[in-house]
Amino acid sequence: EAQVTQNPRYLITVTGKKLTVTCSQNMNHEYMSWYRQDPGLGLRQIYYSMNVEVTDKGDVPEGYKVSRKEKRNFPLILESPSPNQTSLYFCASSLGPRNSGNTIYFGEGSWLTVV
Amino acid sequence: GENVEQHPSTLSVQEGDSAVIKCTYSDSASNYFPWYKQELGKRPQLIIDIRSNVGEKKDQRIAVTLNKTAKHFSLHITETQPEDSAVYFCAASIAGSARQLTFGSGTQLTVLP
Repeated sequence: EAQVTQNPRYLITVTGKKLTVTCSQNMNHEYMSWYRQDPGLGLRQIYYSMNVEVTDKGDVPEGYKVSRKEKRNFPLILESPSPNQTSLYFCASSLGPRNSGNTIYFGEGSWLTVV
Repeated sequence: GENVEQHPSTLSVQEGDSAVIKCTYSDSASNYFPWYKQELGKRPQLIIDIRSNVGEKKDQRIAVTLNKTAKHFSLHITETQPEDSAVYFCAASIAGSARQLTFGSGTQLTVLP
């Protein structure tokens, strides 16, 4: 089954404690990205990746890091989480430049609370 | 970069009535406009999309229209049902771009029985 898998789904952490949210897709997609969703703001892109070892900033990259060492994985790293990073996070993937429709597949979301 | 504005932020309709949600975009290079439905606590799900070479697209009770000149596009839901209640997001992108999507801020649609 084609899917994007995120872990953890729910996490409460403390300010400053490094954490990683993993994302994995099994569709051999080239493009992957991370979004955060906040009330009244919709989904905003944090980082995106065009392929292995190729990443770029989205609209709200501050406080986040990513890596793309393998095609299927795109972890989101919060080196020193702060309360304003409390949010719902979605990983997403799409086929790549050959897919002119750019259909996006979303993971189930990760609820992160920073206290 | 692209900026997408969406209105209204909340919309209540009676069951059986129509609902219309409108979006505007800023980047004339954008050529792909999907709409997503998000139920509470779940991931966004694509419900319909349109490309800039088409002015209108319909799929059963939902339709999307696009006005490239004015840079706006709309979602139309006819004969609304309680299960249509959800948050709807419009988005814009350049098809095939790794930048993926720029989303509107969402519309909470409530269909009253």
